[in-house]
Amino acid sequence: AQTVTQSQPEMSVQEAETVTLSCTYDTSENNYYLFWYKQPPSRQMILVIRQEAYKQQNATENRFSVNFQKAAKSFSLKISDSQLGDTAMYFCALASGGSNYKLTFGKGTLLTVNP
Amino acid sequence: NAGVTQTPKFRILKIGQSMTLQCAQDMNHNYMYWYRQDPGMGLKLIYYSVGAGITDKGEVPNGYNVSRSTTEDFPLRLELAAPSQTSVYFCASSYQGPNEKLFFGSGTQLSVL
Repeated sequence: AQTVTQSQPEMSVQEAETVTLSCTYDTSENNYYLFWYKQPPSRQMILVIRQEAYKQQNATENRFSVNFQKAAKSFSLKISDSQLGDTAMYFCALASGGSNYKLTFGKGTLLTVNP
Repeated sequence: NAGVTQTPKFRILKIGQSMTLQCAQDMNHNYMYWYRQDPGMGLKLIYYSVGAGITDKGEVPNGYNVSRSTTEDFPLRLELAAPSQTSVYFCASSYQGPNEKLFFGSGTQLSVL
């Protein structure tokens, strides 16, 4: 079985500051993929960033970057220069399962960016 | 491109009623999924399909049925609605599988009273 744990139900940050959201996971597979999805108040789920486990280099997408610690099974999301539009629920997700991938979501972290 | 289109956006059902949630994608994706999102619980997979004519159960399939007669459409059927099915339902699609980016619809808020 695979699990995803997000230990921070809610976080807040001031506009223009940096914030890090935590995620830990567990899987017995060697080949897997990790994701951060964003769900703003509009409810639309949007992919923020994707990391392939076999790649040691941390993925980045503009102001969003991850700290992927494979041995520790940790996958945190760093948001730099936070903007009001970053206010959303953030879900960490894991896809593993060999040739039959299953995607498991964490329970989410509600991030509020304050002006 | 419209992406993934879900209808309706909101619906209230009485206990025991049935309904179909519609989902269509125009990206020629092979994989399609139905998730439900309960408060504080993340997303749980109900059913998925790897192509037309092929469907399989996810984590929480009880009380639901699906069909995939075309690549584009993946409707979700609720039979004999129960209060436990009150949730937000999301349809999603991807080209090869859940190890790739999922494209989500805008969701359906369903209340069973």
